[in-house]
Amino acid sequence: DTAVSQTPKYLVTQMGNDKSIKCEQNLGHDTMYWYKQDSKKFLKIMFSYNNKELIINETVPNRFSPKSPDKAHLNLHINSLELGDSAVYFCASSHGGIGGKLFFGSGTQLSVL
Amino acid sequence: GIQVEQSPPDLILQEGANSTLRCNFSDSVNNLQWFHQNPWGQLINLFYIPSGTKQNGRLSATTVATERYSLLYISSSQTTDSGVYFCAVPPVYTGTASKLTFGTGTRLQVTL
Repeated sequence: DTAVSQTPKYLVTQMGNDKSIKCEQNLGHDTMYWYKQDSKKFLKIMFSYNNKELIINETVPNRFSPKSPDKAHLNLHINSLELGDSAVYFCASSHGGIGGKLFFGSGTQLSVL
Repeated sequence: GIQVEQSPPDLILQEGANSTLRCNFSDSVNNLQWFHQNPWGQLINLFYIPSGTKQNGRLSATTVATERYSLLYISSSQTTDSGVYFCAVPPVYTGTASKLTFGTGTRLQVTL
């Protein structure tokens, strides 16, 4: 009955590969997000979708491409992975935009070798 | 943009002790959220608290929006309280591209 679920939990890959992280929420929320947490635990927003529409697109390399097929799903595709992409990526959702209570997925630890 | 500062950055407690974590923010906000990231990395929303005080078991939070701070109280701490505590605020004037600003966190370690 996980509210926000993302897969995989761990992702270990070589530089230059392409990988995807999937996220689904069953809370009926209209807004979904991708956050990146660096080694110092700082949380930085990458993207936000409201009703499948991209509303926040932070300064993120265009190798990162989010896709929202419907309100309940937000996937993140990363092309040509680099060492610096290693981090924990969190999916999250809320109702009514950023004013709503935020719920996080369990995170995906990405390690690029 | 809005600045969010948390203090202390690090805290070590003996089990059973009480503590107060603080979150200061630089501008007016409509609400504030507190999160706990446990040692396994899970981020749990503890409180959604625009103003006033809320209680959840041994934890309580108070937000004084007019003075731009919030406090998280942990009473009778347990080892399961260990982890990093974050506060996060949105700007008061929210447009479609507004975003939450997270503090840098307070790392808490509760020892036996």
